[in-house]
Amino acid sequence: QVQLVQSGAEVKKPGASVKISCKAFGHSITSNYMHWVRQAPGQGLEWMGMIDPRDGSTSYPQKFQARVTLTRDSSTNTIYIDLSSLTSEDTAVYYCARDREAFDVWGQGTMVTVSS
Amino acid sequence: EIVMTQTPLSSPVTPGQPASISCRSSQSLVHSDGNTYLSWLQQRPGQPPRLLIYKISNRLSGVPDRFSGSGAGTDFTLKISRVEAEDVGVYYCMGATQPLWTFGQGTKVEIK
Repeated sequence: QVQLVQSGAEVKKPGASVKISCKAFGHSITSNYMHWVRQAPGQGLEWMGMIDPRDGSTSYPQKFQARVTLTRDSSTNTIYIDLSSLTSEDTAVYYCARDREAFDVWGQGTMVTVSS
Repeated sequence: EIVMTQTPLSSPVTPGQPASISCRSSQSLVHSDGNTYLSWLQQRPGQPPRLLIYKISNRLSGVPDRFSGSGAGTDFTLKISRVEAEDVGVYYCMGATQPLWTFGQGTKVEIK
């Protein structure tokens, strides 16, 4: 069964960093573009970046270019998002998603709470 | 940066009646490969988003045929022919101008 399983909830202090994992089952992360999307409480979806399956290169929207790093580990079929310099505005549910011409498989989401 | 604008933002619907959501992009979504990567997602309360429609009008396997997508260029529409109670949720369009992706603000569909 094709699925994406994410790591558990995180609580961080302002200024800290957080790293979330997304492990793929039933498909290879090196065969599809993989993305990260977040959703603040009561808000809409926000695209955070993607990893190219061919060479692991990344693309980010300008808003996140300075603070987001996407990586992958082919040996464990896992992708990661690292978000630095956290503020309360980063409190959100973070999702990974597989891209086969559209985001057809989503992780269950990881809640990140930033609070002092 | 591309902007995706959905209307309406809220849609109260009587069960069995149709619903329609519009999505307009600030620039053409036609990719250099000839495809238009415009998708529609449904998000039920407390759940991750679920893909319904991709490349404007293609229904994902398992999606009821009461959902349909249409449009071209910068203007797109999601239609639900007969709304059912299980269709309650927020619907998002999303588009790509490679390599960047953008979501619409979301349209809340609720039962009257």
